[in-house]
Amino acid sequence: IQLTQSPSSLSASVGDTVTITCRASQRISTYLSWYQQRPGKAPKLLIHSASTLQSGVPSRFSGSGSGTDFTLIISGLESEDFATYFCQQSYKSALTFGGGTKVDI
Amino acid sequence: EVQLVESGGGLIQPGGSLRLSCEASGVTVSRNYMSWVRQPPGQGLEWVSIIYSGGTTDYADSVRGRFDISRDTSRNIVYLQMNSLRVDDTAIYYCARGRGHFDYWGQGTLVTVSS
Repeated sequence: IQLTQSPSSLSASVGDTVTITCRASQRISTYLSWYQQRPGKAPKLLIHSASTLQSGVPSRFSGSGSGTDFTLIISGLESEDFATYFCQQSYKSALTFGGGTKVDI
Repeated sequence: EVQLVESGGGLIQPGGSLRLSCEASGVTVSRNYMSWVRQPPGQGLEWVSIIYSGGTTDYADSVRGRFDISRDTSRNIVYLQMNSLRVDDTAIYYCARGRGHFDYWGQGTLVTVSS
C-alpha cells in the first residue's frame, strides 16, 4: 500500500494552523498513524488509529480520516513543532510509511 | 520507563554481514511485538522486520531471505542478523515496540555499506 503525503514541505509561523494530508493507494479503514521526527532524533508517535492521540501528546495535534484520505492538523504551531511528519499504515502486514512532510519556519 | 538501545552498526563492505542488537528495559520483549525500522540518510522510513510475542517473524520483501530477526528472552534483547548486505541497506536502523503503530523507539544505529 502506497501512502502519498502532501505537501512534501511547507513553511509556517508560530501560531499558524497547519494541515498535512496522507492518501492511501487503497482503503485502509482507520489503520493509520502519524509520527513527528526532529532532526537527529527517532520518530515520535503522535496519533494512531487515525484519530487517537497518543498519551502525552499535546492536544493541538489532531488526526482525522478513514478509507483512503487522512489529515493531520496542528492548531497553533509552536517552535518545537518544526519537524518532519510521517504517516504509516498498518492495514496490511507489509507496513509502509509516507514520504514525509517537512514543516519549517 | 521504557528504553530501547541499539548497537552493532558500523561500516561494512557489500556482501558482508552484521548483527544489530536492541537491548530493552522497562518492556519485556517476549510479551511484545518488536520491530526494526530503517531510514536511509536524509530519506524516509522503511519497516524492515517484526518478531511477534509468540515468536513468529515477518520481513519486508527488500530484506526477506537476507535478514533474520530473533530475540534472547533471558537477556531481553532483540537481534537483527543482516547478511549479503548491499549498498542500499545503508541506513539508520531503529528498534521499535509495536506492530500497528510504534510507541517506543531507540535512538538508532547507523549501518553503512560501502567498499
